[in-house]
Amino acid sequence: EIVLTQSPGTLSLSPGERATLSCRASQSVSSTYLAWYQQIPGQAPRLLIYGASSRATGIPDRFSGSGSGTDFTLTISSLEPEDFAVYYCQQYGSSPPTFGQGTKVEIK
Amino acid sequence: EVQLVESGGGLVQPGGSLRLSCAASGFTFSSYWMSWVRQAPGKGLEWVANIKQDGSEKHYVDSVKGRFTISRDNAKNSLYLQMNSLRAEDTAVYYCASGLWFGELFDWGQGTLVTVSS
Repeated sequence: EIVLTQSPGTLSLSPGERATLSCRASQSVSSTYLAWYQQIPGQAPRLLIYGASSRATGIPDRFSGSGSGTDFTLTISSLEPEDFAVYYCQQYGSSPPTFGQGTKVEIK
Repeated sequence: EVQLVESGGGLVQPGGSLRLSCAASGFTFSSYWMSWVRQAPGKGLEWVANIKQDGSEKHYVDSVKGRFTISRDNAKNSLYLQMNSLRAEDTAVYYCASGLWFGELFDWGQGTLVTVSS
């Protein structure tokens, strides 16, 4: 199975700052099948990005995804108070679909 | 508006069984792959199983193969997960999710908690 490793584990930033989250795969992942999710404590995950760089419906344009092969990045250009949450990457190009362990973005 | 509502969670003893349901509305259920994803307390997300639109393909994570069975009823817009031989490590919030392709998780329900404990 493909292992996804996210870094850093925790990112401490202030509102207005830029957040850069990394997701590295143990083997190549087709960009078509790489997604990012946001999870606020006590809530279900929400799809942010699919196909490595396409924003899901209703997702603000401060969220962007990039990358290919084994290295993918989620960028939040300017953090809003509601963006402090846990973010997961997921690959679904090979079975089983797998998730990274998550990156927590916390208020500094 | 897409709605996915899980039910059927609860407390069950090790070795016991439970059947989860997911009621779908607001979209053409029969056109979507459906999945179950779980999250143990304080832990990350784990994909559990999925089923193709017509039920002809079913896939499972190794840790539940032979114990869990995913099914769907397109006439009732419902997804199910039959869980047998439950273990303590199956304790988690179970989410159902929908997508157009294998492994896609575009929309999620709010989850139902399964606790396996004596």
